[in-house]
This record gives sequence, C-alpha cells and structure tokens, in this order.
Amino acid sequence: DGGITQSPKYLFRKEGQNVTLSCEQNLNHDAMYWYRQDPGQGLRLIYYSQIVNDFQKGDIAEGYSVSREKKESFPLTVTSAQKNPTAFYLCASSKTGGEGQPQHFGDGTRLSIL
Amino acid sequence: KNEVEQSPQNLTAQEGEFITINCSYSVGISALHWLQQHPGGGIVSLFMLSSGKKKHGRLIATINIQEKHSSLHITASHPRDSAVYICAVGSGGGADGLTFGKGTHLIIQP
Repeated sequence: DGGITQSPKYLFRKEGQNVTLSCEQNLNHDAMYWYRQDPGQGLRLIYYSQIVNDFQKGDIAEGYSVSREKKESFPLTVTSAQKNPTAFYLCASSKTGGEGQPQHFGDGTRLSIL
Repeated sequence: KNEVEQSPQNLTAQEGEFITINCSYSVGISALHWLQQHPGGGIVSLFMLSSGKKKHGRLIATINIQEKHSSLHITASHPRDSAVYICAVGSGGGADGLTFGKGTHLIIQP
C-alpha cells in the first residue's frame, strides 16, 4: 500500500547537535510538507516543496533546513540554531494543482532534548 | 494570513449523541480540510471540501463559503470516535501548505 513513512518515531537530541528526520513517500506526490505540533497549538508549517530541487520556507523555518533531491524523500534537519526543538513533527504529501488536494500524513516523529 | 478558529476546544458526550464541531476562517480559501488525530499522533484526512456538503458513513461535513464557516457532524457517536478533530484551510491550490486550527478534543463516553 502507498503511504508516508517517517523515522524514527522517537528521537533525542543533545544540546548543540543537529538531527535529521526522515520522510519517504511512495504515493508519487509532487508536493511534500513538514509541520511542527506543540501542545495546545495548531500544526505550523516549517517548509514545503512542490517539486524536486525546490522548496520554500513556511511560517517557522528558522533553525531548520531541508533538501529535496528525490521526489520520494524530503528530510528535515533540526539544527543547533533551533532553540526550542522539542515537539512533534509531521510530514505530509499531496498532489499539486486543482482547487486543493488532500494531504496524506505520516505517523510523526517526537523529538526531545536530552 | 488566514486565522482558523475551532469550537469547542473540548467536548465530552455520551455514546449515541449527535456531535457538532465548528470551524471559521478569516480569508477566502481554495479548500477546507477536516482531519482526525488519534492519541498516537498519526493524522487521517476525513474530508476536503470547497463547497456544499460531504458525507462518509456517520460523518458529515458542510461548508458555507460566504460565511467562511464549516461544521463537522458525527451522528450516533461511538467511543471509537474519541480523537482530536482538526480543521485546516488551504489557498492558492493548497500546494503551499495548510493553516490549521488548534483542534477539538472529543471524548465519547460509553
């Protein structure tokens, strides 16, 4: 079955360390997204990509970086510049075009600071 | 930037009750999404709509574009419906990411 795979499910980061969250999809979707979820808040957009080798900043991109070298993959790096990285991170994908497309979500990665 | 407001924030009901969750947004959209998030964190897309009404099983979603308002209804609610229900809106074709409400935490008691 097609879907989105995020790994790992749980991740711990030491102070000053960069960590990379993996997101892979086999839905043949052009667009991919990274969202962050904090308790009591709605999901917020970190980065998105509508096509390979291109991506745009979302609302809270500071302290994060992404790459989109393959259609199937959209890894997110949480850098040491992100001062409050503890959160639940969700990756999503969708087709592009039309009046909006449904987004398919992964199961998320929970990142904590040691 | 679109502002998405959901109400109520928390809702506890008895099994069998008719449930309504509301969502309002501030700026015109291309589509509105209703999502369901279970305790483990995974999110499932329930509906995407840009006009009118959609029905899937016991779930019904409606949208009023002029009033910038949508409702999600659950008929004959069941404990397995307990989850967080999230409203999200997209614009510009939706491929530039969604703007989310904070979610409604629904508990259905047996």
